[in-house]
Amino acid sequence: ELKVEQNPLFLSMQEGKNYTIYCNYSTTSDRLYWYRQDPGKSLESLFVLLSNGAVKQEGRLMASLDTKARLSTLHITAAVHDLSATYFCAVDNGGNTPLVFGKGTRLSVIA
Amino acid sequence: GAVVSQHPSWVICKSGTSVKIECRSLDFQATTMFWYRQFPKQSLMLMATSNEGSKATYEQGVEKDKFLINHASLTLSTLTVTSAHPEDSSFYICSARDKRTFQETQYFGPGTRLLVL
Repeated sequence: ELKVEQNPLFLSMQEGKNYTIYCNYSTTSDRLYWYRQDPGKSLESLFVLLSNGAVKQEGRLMASLDTKARLSTLHITAAVHDLSATYFCAVDNGGNTPLVFGKGTRLSVIA
Repeated sequence: GAVVSQHPSWVICKSGTSVKIECRSLDFQATTMFWYRQFPKQSLMLMATSNEGSKATYEQGVEKDKFLINHASLTLSTLTVTSAHPEDSSFYICSARDKRTFQETQYFGPGTRLLVL
């Protein structure tokens, strides 16, 4: 059974600081997604990582995937308040299977 | 990009009534759709996999007679919460996989917030 673990679950960080959210998963997969969720909203796709060593960047967020270590990271650079949200990673087993989600990281960026 | 819609976006109903939620893939065909439920401050919990033209596959602990799923066409799946009770109040999100692209990206609908009084 595929399990996905995210840490930390809660993160309070100051504006301007850097931090990394980690996503570990238990079985082989080469597809991983990162989503953002704002309160009361559905999921917004941030990154799709499709191969070992994949790195994608958008603004202050950068995601990477190491399929050998079964680890993905979401790095936040010089955080700003607008990044406050809950971030989920989800692992894809392909075919007609659903994504398996981590528990989410609730990020709060404070001045 | 591909779009998945849900209707209604929110609904308030009395205990004991039934509520139908629609999930549509707007510009692609989806042989499989997924229904999730999310309680406040928790992650998404998969309820069932909706298969076009066949019965849905329910996750353990999800009552199939209470949460009726119908996937009548390649672009529409419906979730009916029968005899709703306050504990069914939640945020319901559907998703569908777009198989036209290599990524086969899974897209999520905007969600339906259900409040049962």
